[in-house]
Amino acid sequence: QSALTQPASVSGSPGQSITISCAGTSSDIGGYNYVSWYQHHPDKAPKLIIYDVIHRPSGVSNRFSGSKSGNTASLTISGLQVEDEADYYCSSFTTTLRNIFGTGTKVTVL
Amino acid sequence: EVQLVESGGGLVQPGGSLRLSCAASGFTFSGYSMHWVRQAPGKGLEYVSAISTSGGITFYEDSVKGRFTISRDISKNTLYLQMDSLRTEDTAIYYCARDTPGLDWAFDYWGQGTLVTVSS
Repeated sequence: QSALTQPASVSGSPGQSITISCAGTSSDIGGYNYVSWYQHHPDKAPKLIIYDVIHRPSGVSNRFSGSKSGNTASLTISGLQVEDEADYYCSSFTTTLRNIFGTGTKVTVL
Repeated sequence: EVQLVESGGGLVQPGGSLRLSCAASGFTFSGYSMHWVRQAPGKGLEYVSAISTSGGITFYEDSVKGRFTISRDISKNTLYLQMDSLRTEDTAIYYCARDTPGLDWAFDYWGQGTLVTVSS
């Protein structure tokens, strides 16, 4: 598998909640709890916002939450804000002893 | 403050070589696994390689296996990526990243990236 599958784009109005899905297989998302999510603004370094499926690093807003069911992981952004407009990538450890990223989702705040 | 600063990118012809460096500061470099991730123009993030704390264990994405070599110099707090037999499809911004303290295969600090362009 070359990449985990994410929707190309998701949009929402300020204050709304949106959810980004990340579909994998039993060899990656379904097999491990090493799922992470990254926020990537153009021309900046990616930022870790969720690790181990549900955990937020220190300093990350609690408006970001993660979950997993079977071979699919999800990122929910609550109370959408203008500064949340960015690209979002999921990532998982795999049975081939390496990491795999998702295809990426562009979040637009309407 | 944790800092990762990449260098060594540039323009190289197909078949050529480059060595990327990532200078680490603000944390105990020897205590963390490290990774390289790249992003081709207009594309998403792609995992490249990983190295254990001691440097004794390495991992590579299939597309770079046999051409790229990851290494680290603890005395210099520096991570390296030796890239040989470069192809046009290796053109990308290359980021170094630190693994989380719990070795969660999650990258909690990233550098700003260095651009590698492979073109004739």
